[in-house]
Amino acid sequence: GQNIDQPTEMTATEGAIVQINCTYQTSGFNGLFWYQQHAGEAPTFLSYNVLDGLEEKGRFSSFLSRSKGYSYLLLKELQMKDSASYLCAVRDNYGQNFVFGPGTRLSVLP
Amino acid sequence: EAGVAQSPRYKIIEKRQSVAFWCNPISGHATLYWYQQILGQGPKLLIQFQNNGVVDDSQLPKDRFSAERLKGVDSTLKIQPAKLEDSAVYLCASSLVQRITDTQYFGPGTRLTVL
Repeated sequence: GQNIDQPTEMTATEGAIVQINCTYQTSGFNGLFWYQQHAGEAPTFLSYNVLDGLEEKGRFSSFLSRSKGYSYLLLKELQMKDSASYLCAVRDNYGQNFVFGPGTRLSVLP
Repeated sequence: EAGVAQSPRYKIIEKRQSVAFWCNPISGHATLYWYQQILGQGPKLLIQFQNNGVVDDSQLPKDRFSAERLKGVDSTLKIQPAKLEDSAVYLCASSLVQRITDTQYFGPGTRLTVL
């Protein structure tokens, strides 16, 4: 079966650091993607991991552990504009499908 | 470069009516996806095209949904007849080729309300 879990909601303060977790069980694995989706808008690509470890991209970093079926997205120096939903997606079945998690709605407070 | 275009942006219909959505992917992108995103949930893949061939339509409710991608460029998604539970945002996405590292680029979506 296919199952991706993320916390439903998180709240953090401007300037802080927040970690959004994602656990997955999928048939096959060919990479994990993180997307940002502002309310009423389309998802936009943030990061991609296929090997274990940390990928850093400015204020955003993403970590993957394939043996644990686990990833996290780390957001540093939070800004108000970071308030959005963050979607974890796994590419499975040898690259045929993207399976999305339910998304985590992050609220950044002043 | 121009992004993925979709129309209409919003559509309100009554149950049992028909509706069609249009998508124009980024130029040169061979792979095209249609997703259904119900409020508060992640996108669910309905159908994936590679050029004008169907790669995966296992989650498409084929008794009421149909999609085509003529000439391997634009695509249309149709619902006939619509049900209340079809109320959702329909997202179209495209990617360059079906490589492991390719990400998808999403269009703005069509918000469908079925009354």
